Amino acid sequence: GQQVMQIPQYQHVQEGEDFTTYCNSSTTLSNIQWYKQRPGGHPVFLIQLVKSGEVKKQKRLTFQFGEAKKNSSLHITATQTTDVGTYFCAGRWGNAGNMLTFGGGTRLMVKP
Amino acid sequence: NAGVTQTPKFRILKIGQSMTLQCAQDMNHNYMYWYRQDPGMGLKLIYYSVGAGITDKGEVPNGYNVSRSTTEDFPLRLELAAPSQTSVYFCASSSSTGLDQPQHFGDGTRLSIL
Repeated sequence: GQQVMQIPQYQHVQEGEDFTTYCNSSTTLSNIQWYKQRPGGHPVFLIQLVKSGEVKKQKRLTFQFGEAKKNSSLHITATQTTDVGTYFCAGRWGNAGNMLTFGGGTRLMVKP
Repeated sequence: NAGVTQTPKFRILKIGQSMTLQCAQDMNHNYMYWYRQDPGMGLKLIYYSVGAGITDKGEVPNGYNVSRSTTEDFPLRLELAAPSQTSVYFCASSSSTGLDQPQHFGDGTRLSIL
């Protein structure tokens, strides 16, 4: 089946450092969504990217969708302890209706 | 609005027992989903529904059953529980107005099978 690979699996950073997580699909995606899950919590929608080469920003978070719509990234500038959690990408392909396939997630730990 | 409500929050089952995980949403969403999340892993789709009376299998449906008699409710049934079904189960819903809608998740049910 279609899969979304996400790296790295874990990332430890010092507060104030930057952080990036990457998602890759072997086939072209229709769109990609990003979710954040705090420890012990449930996934919460962050953003959706639809267009080739799209870049969206939310304060310190920058989301990119590749030109070929096969990869995406989430970059956090100057991490804070409130950024702790697991970040998931979730891809949708044109033949999958409204079903999303989630990547394995990147767990971000921030040392104060 | 309560959003997506899951019950129970925690449950311990013995091997071979059965149970139903409840999920209800009050956002009038047509699409509903059940996922499982094993420790340190991503979410895997078990079953989904695009409307009342319509359900379909996801990636990992074996050992589970669902029904969708109303728009609001989407219960997940475990028959003959096995240790491999120990996981956190999340229910989610999304609007059907366009295919690119975010999914709204419940708080999850933490299930242990011993």
